[in-house]
Amino acid sequence: AQSVTQPDIHITVSEGASLELRCNYSYGATPYLFWYVQSPGQGLQLLLKYFSGDTLVQGIKGFEAEFKRSQSSFNVRKPSVHWSDAAEYFCAVGTGGGADGLTFGKGTHLIIQP
Amino acid sequence: DGGITQSPKYLFRKEGQNVTLSCEQNLNHDAMYWYRQDPGQGLRLIYYSQIVNDFQKGDIAEGYSVSREKKESFPLTVTSAQKNPTAFYLCASSIAGRGSNTEAFFGQGTRLTVV
Repeated sequence: AQSVTQPDIHITVSEGASLELRCNYSYGATPYLFWYVQSPGQGLQLLLKYFSGDTLVQGIKGFEAEFKRSQSSFNVRKPSVHWSDAAEYFCAVGTGGGADGLTFGKGTHLIIQP
Repeated sequence: DGGITQSPKYLFRKEGQNVTLSCEQNLNHDAMYWYRQDPGQGLRLIYYSQIVNDFQKGDIAEGYSVSREKKESFPLTVTSAQKNPTAFYLCASSIAGRGSNTEAFFGQGTRLTVV
């Protein structure tokens, strides 16, 4: 069965600083990988996704992620964070294109310091 | 506007009672999903449906039931058999079935509290 690990439960970053959120997955076949963002009490919004092709993918709000098959990782980065980026971030892996549902990591809570 | 509507936003239930959470989508998506979210646990899949009149158990289906009589609707019933029903429930949908490259779109969630 597939699994997703987000090693950092909380991350605190100063506004304007760079950010990297880590994600490692376990899945036997080619994974479909996603990052979602959630504001408190809200649903999830897709940040970016990887299905195939170029391993560097661009998302919304200036985020990008790189798929590294050799490391089973899909880390997301942003060069300069804004206070509005404070939220919960979830990495997920999908099987069958995600048709059978997604397996999520436990999330990383991002705190932005002024 | 197209989207997924979950209702109600907040729901309180007495122990021993069944309760049904509503999920409606107007995105013309074939697949629909129910997830449960607990603090520090991420999201866990309860049930999913890839087509009308068919659904599959997810990782934590015990104590829950669903139906898919219409493409647009995928209600979730939390039964009295669910031992820890207090949680945030999220409904999602995606375009099509197995092998399709697409992401899931999520509703705004229903917070269920057992009192």
